[in-house]
Formats: sequence, structure tokens, C-alpha cells
Amino acid sequence: ETGVTQTPRHLVMGMTNKKSLKCEQHLGHNAMYWYKQSAKKPLELMFVYNFKEQTENNSVPSRFSPECPNSSHLFLHLHTLQPEDSALYLCASSQEPAESGSDEQYFGPGTRLTVT
Amino acid sequence: GQNIDQPTEMTATEGAIVQINCTYQTSGFNGLFWYQQHAGEAPTFLSYNVLDGLEEKGRFSSFLSRSKGYSYLLLKELQMKDSASYLCAVRSGSGGSYIPTFGRGTSLIVHP
Repeated sequence: ETGVTQTPRHLVMGMTNKKSLKCEQHLGHNAMYWYKQSAKKPLELMFVYNFKEQTENNSVPSRFSPECPNSSHLFLHLHTLQPEDSALYLCASSQEPAESGSDEQYFGPGTRLTVT
Repeated sequence: GQNIDQPTEMTATEGAIVQINCTYQTSGFNGLFWYQQHAGEAPTFLSYNVLDGLEEKGRFSSFLSRSKGYSYLLLKELQMKDSASYLCAVRSGSGGSYIPTFGRGTSLIVHP
């Protein structure tokens, strides 16, 4: 099983739909992240969970709702999205957001989301 | 806030050396990362610098100058498979909360 998996890989949804993105990490890490990656823009941090507790919410609209039931699983619930929310959504994990050390992030393959 | 700047695109020849620069402005600096991202794939970790100087790892090296807010990634003996986007990420924060912020990435095209 690869380190960080995401499902689905591709998702097309209408603006009135409700869907969820799933992320699972098999690395024994304690921190998990959601990022949004749009064309020509930097990776945008959305949410951070450390030991299942949300520690960062980077001014994300409420139509995105994260859930972290345990240290290995992370969900992003989507509802009433807008076309501008179409992007690649990447999940990542790290040992923990340590104060120092090369605590690099391991990324999943992403979910390519298209909102119509 | 933070400001991370890196060139949008670079081209180089197979077998050559290329240097990708990254400048940043931040408070509470706590490390700089380089990631590689091939088209349609996830970013993968390349290097980490927290102290000034050069870190070498095979064909890839990364340099940091904290006083200048400057880093570069050096790729030697370029191969076609090195064509990818290279992301500079700066970790900063305080009070136990350290979050990485990414630059826009530099798209490197390696041609024969």
C-alpha cells in the first residue's frame, strides 16, 4: 500500500451536489493537511490536523468542511461549490508539525475536481 | 504574511547544470523545503535547509542564506526525467505552530 492515498482521483459535480474526498495515510504520521492547487497559483493550504485536532483553518469558505476521525484518515466534505473551486485537491501527511527537523510532507496523488 | 518568489519557467539542456532560485520574506523562519512535481502527479520531497549553507544529495543540491532570504536548488547532469515543476516552500510560525507556505513553482523543461 502506497504512503498516502486519495479517492476519488477525478470528480465532476454540480453546484448543488454534496460529495466527499477521502485521504488515507499508511505512514504512521500524526499530522494531515488539505491543499488546493489551481493552475498558475501556489499550493494553498486549507486545513491542518495534528493528532486529529484541527490546528489551522486558512480562511476557507464554509462550503468546505474537513473531518479527521483518526490520525490515518482525513475527509473533505463538499457542498454547494462554485465553478472557481475546480482544482486539484491534495492531501499530505507529516510525522508532526515539529518545531525543527526535516519534517517533510508526503503528498497523495490528488483529486481533480471539476464543478459544473 | 509571507512572500515567496521563484521564476515561472526555465529551460535547460540534457547533461547541463541548472540553478533554480527562490527568495522569500517571512517572520519566524523555521526551514525551507524543495519539492519536485511531475505533471499530473503529487509533489515529492527533494531537500531541506534550516541552517545557512549547502546540502548535497546526489545530483541535487540546495543552498540557503537566511540573512538574504534566499535559496537555490542546483540540478547537475540534467536528465529528461528532470522536466517537472520545482516548488520552494518556507516553513514559519511561532508558539508551536509551524506551517509551510509554497511558492508558485518553477516549471523546468529539459531538452535534448
